[in-house]
Amino acid sequence: QQQVKQSPQSLIVQKGGISIINCAYENTAFDYFPWYQQFPGKGPALLIAIRPDVSEKKEGRFTISFNKSAKQFSLHIMDSQPGDSATYFCAASRRGGTYKYIFGTGTRLKVLA
Amino acid sequence: GAGVSQSPSNKVTEKGKDVELRCDPISGHTALYWYRQSLGQGLEFLIYFQGNSAPDKSGLPSDRFSAERTGGSVSTLTIQRTQQEDSAVYLCASSLVTADTEAFFGQGTRLTVV
Repeated sequence: QQQVKQSPQSLIVQKGGISIINCAYENTAFDYFPWYQQFPGKGPALLIAIRPDVSEKKEGRFTISFNKSAKQFSLHIMDSQPGDSATYFCAASRRGGTYKYIFGTGTRLKVLA
Repeated sequence: GAGVSQSPSNKVTEKGKDVELRCDPISGHTALYWYRQSLGQGLEFLIYFQGNSAPDKSGLPSDRFSAERTGGSVSTLTIQRTQQEDSAVYLCASSLVTADTEAFFGQGTRLTVV
């Protein structure tokens, strides 16, 4: 119930390509879904987040697609760049609860120059 | 400071010793979280503070782990009688009170138990 399942574990994309990372959750009480980006030796940093009242959110080259009925959400990175090479984590939390974030297991993205 | 500060950045300890990890959250952030990240793994929730109280400590893996927060600010995570499986990066994050505001992470403390 508390798990967030993330795939793929690793991803290699050519420069300029589209990177897609998927997450699925079980607990319908979750109502906030952020994506975090982590570079080696650094803490995770918020990339983009969505609430379930919208199906898509776009910020620059990064888009979250949200499917409430399927309990799935995904991150799309358009025009992927070598600087996007990092580990990406999806997460879910529930307002009104203890506010903890449940994280997916991460996707290691490598964008080839 | 401008961000979440954790110290030390690296800690090597002998098996059986106690360690203390410190977290200085962003000023004004009432929520504070501790997570553990093992090599190549995701972020495992340990404990959540709201002010000085910990309404959710469900992620602490054993009674060797404890945490406190004082003055609604600094938090200390203590691991007693460390074991090799405790080796990981311990991350602290802070946020404003609501869950749908950004949680800011520190750079973590890399703990190695030898």
